[in-house]
Amino acid sequence: GAGVSQSPRYKVAKRGQDVALRCDPISGHVSLFWYQQALGQGPEFLTYFQNEAQLDKSGLPSDRFFAERPEGSVSTLKIQRTQQEDSAVYLCASSSTRLAGRSSYNEQFFGPGTRLTVL
Amino acid sequence: GQQLNQSPQSMFIQEGEDVSMNCTSSSIFNTWLWYKQEPGEGPVLLIALYKAGELTSNGRLTAQFGITRKDSFLNISASIPSDVGIYFCAGRPSGTYKYIFGTGTRLKVLA
Repeated sequence: GAGVSQSPRYKVAKRGQDVALRCDPISGHVSLFWYQQALGQGPEFLTYFQNEAQLDKSGLPSDRFFAERPEGSVSTLKIQRTQQEDSAVYLCASSSTRLAGRSSYNEQFFGPGTRLTVL
Repeated sequence: GQQLNQSPQSMFIQEGEDVSMNCTSSSIFNTWLWYKQEPGEGPVLLIALYKAGELTSNGRLTAQFGITRKDSFLNISASIPSDVGIYFCAGRPSGTYKYIFGTGTRLKVLA
């Protein structure tokens, strides 16, 4: 398909386990974002990639969270030693343009998300 | 985490009525985006705004980028049952890469 895809769609982990969440952006999209959405809340920014460069990781909640995009396409969000408070939907979004300057056209398209439940 | 003030929190309206919701920020934003999210799905982009004062329409939806660059509103005219969902605003503060989302407006349409 032409949209952003994420896998798995659902993940159940025992507390302390490591998990890896995958995002396949729209082909050719330069920008990639990860968000965390808690139940009943809006998405919260985690990190931003421009091609393979991670330009902003200020939203990652702790050093247990790590994201990479080694070839500037697929991205993986890894959470080590999962805790119950990590339970949330993790959303990926991509955009065809770079974030630059005061007014940059940057329409983000979201994937369906991965629902992570930590028991 | 940081979220924008979005109001109202929820709305129950009759089919055919118009709907208005807004977002405010304490910071100046370069971009405002409006999304709709349905259960189990990611947000879907409705309208994007890039200039202060800009007014943009997408079918029955109209959104405006506030002149102060600290607010935006979304109007839906002649609502229909499929408008049901959660509507989010999102803004990008000047000089940053991150988008900050609103708390959401939950819309229910009564046929």
